[in-house]
Amino acid sequence: AQSVAQPEDQVNVAEGNPLTVKCTYSVSGNPYLFWYVQYPNRGLQFLLKYITGDNLVKGSYGFEAEFNKSQTSFHLKKPSALVSDSALYFCAVRPALYGNNRLAFGKGNQVVVIP
Amino acid sequence: DAGITQSPRHKVTETGTPVTLRCHQTENHRYMYWYRQDPGHGLRLIHYSYGVKDTDKGEVSDGYSVSRSKTEDFLLTLESATSSQTSVYFCAISVGAGAYGYTFGSGTRLTVV
Repeated sequence: AQSVAQPEDQVNVAEGNPLTVKCTYSVSGNPYLFWYVQYPNRGLQFLLKYITGDNLVKGSYGFEAEFNKSQTSFHLKKPSALVSDSALYFCAVRPALYGNNRLAFGKGNQVVVIP
Repeated sequence: DAGITQSPRHKVTETGTPVTLRCHQTENHRYMYWYRQDPGHGLRLIHYSYGVKDTDKGEVSDGYSVSRSKTEDFLLTLESATSSQTSVYFCAISVGAGAYGYTFGSGTRLTVV
């Protein structure tokens, strides 16, 4: 079964500094990888995905993520964090070839951007 | 959004009572999912559906049942609510062939007292 590890419960970063949220995964075969963001009292919103092709994928709000197959990682990055980026971030994975499209989610990372 | 709504948005219920949460979609997607979100656990899959009357269990299905009699509606029932089922429940639909991930509803905050 697929699984995701997000090793840090909370990431604190000063506004304007680079932001990195770590994600490693386990899956049979090739992965589909996703990042979602959740603002307080809201549902999860899609940020970006890796399906195939370029290992560096760009998404919403200036975020990007790098797929590293040898390290089974899919870290989320933003060059310059904003206070409005403070939220809960989830990494998710599923096998590329799978019949029911089930995603496995990590536990989430709380990002706090300090003004 | 992709036309997915959950109802109710908030509910307080007593231990031992049955509770039904509703997820409604307007775009005829085949796959639908129910997750619960708890601090320290992230999102955990309760049940999912891959078509009308086709459902299967997720990782935390005990105490929950589901039904899907129409493509657009996926119901989650807590047969006899317990305090451990106090949580935020999210419904999701799988868009496209799965390569687009999920679209989520806004969630239902359930408190069992």
